[in-house]
Amino acid sequence: DTAVSQTPKYLVTQMGNDKSIKCEQNLGHDTMYWYKQDSKKFLKIMFSYNNKELIINETVPNRFSPKSPDKAHLNLHINSLELGDSAVYFCASGPAATNEKLFFGSGTQLSVL
Amino acid sequence: GENVEQHPSTLSVQEGDSAVIKCTYSDSASNYFPWYKQELGKGPQLIIDIRSNVGEKKDQRIAVTLNKTAKHFSLHITETQPEDSAVYFCAATVNTGGFKTIFGAGTRLFVKA
Repeated sequence: DTAVSQTPKYLVTQMGNDKSIKCEQNLGHDTMYWYKQDSKKFLKIMFSYNNKELIINETVPNRFSPKSPDKAHLNLHINSLELGDSAVYFCASGPAATNEKLFFGSGTQLSVL
Repeated sequence: GENVEQHPSTLSVQEGDSAVIKCTYSDSASNYFPWYKQELGKGPQLIIDIRSNVGEKKDQRIAVTLNKTAKHFSLHITETQPEDSAVYFCAATVNTGGFKTIFGAGTRLFVKA
């Protein structure tokens, strides 16, 4: 049973399109995150949510809109995709808002053509 | 804001040898320092962590040391095995009105059989 699952695993799309990535965790954690990993493997926080409330928004363009319908789900919607959005996006969850002991999903590789 | 530097970017060792990865951080308020291992096509996985009130922690072949004064922390892997080959990330967590984990740039470890 996968602890943090995200779909799809691969996403190939044209510039200007809108796409969504879904994430679910079955660990009972209160906090969920979106991270972006670029082609050089650099990992950067985008958003964190604690119990459905936005805690961190790391100056991400407002084309990116996270939504947390409940504390087990955190989806990411991206409008008007740009070439520079190509990256691997990781969802993660943790037991508390202190960012400790994060569990990551297996990633969604987004390619914008 | 917090900045985490990690060295080396690539490390190649012979099976059975030790591997050491070093990180420095800039914000003295950081108090939690995790290490994550990322295998190809997977999300990062927590392998060990240390809090700022502890100088050293060991878990089987893996150990982490922390020097708060110098703002350095290191990962030590002894008796390396081919399955240790992966990208390793250090990170530091700081509370800036919401906890944030800043990752180092990663070290690609190759263990040659």
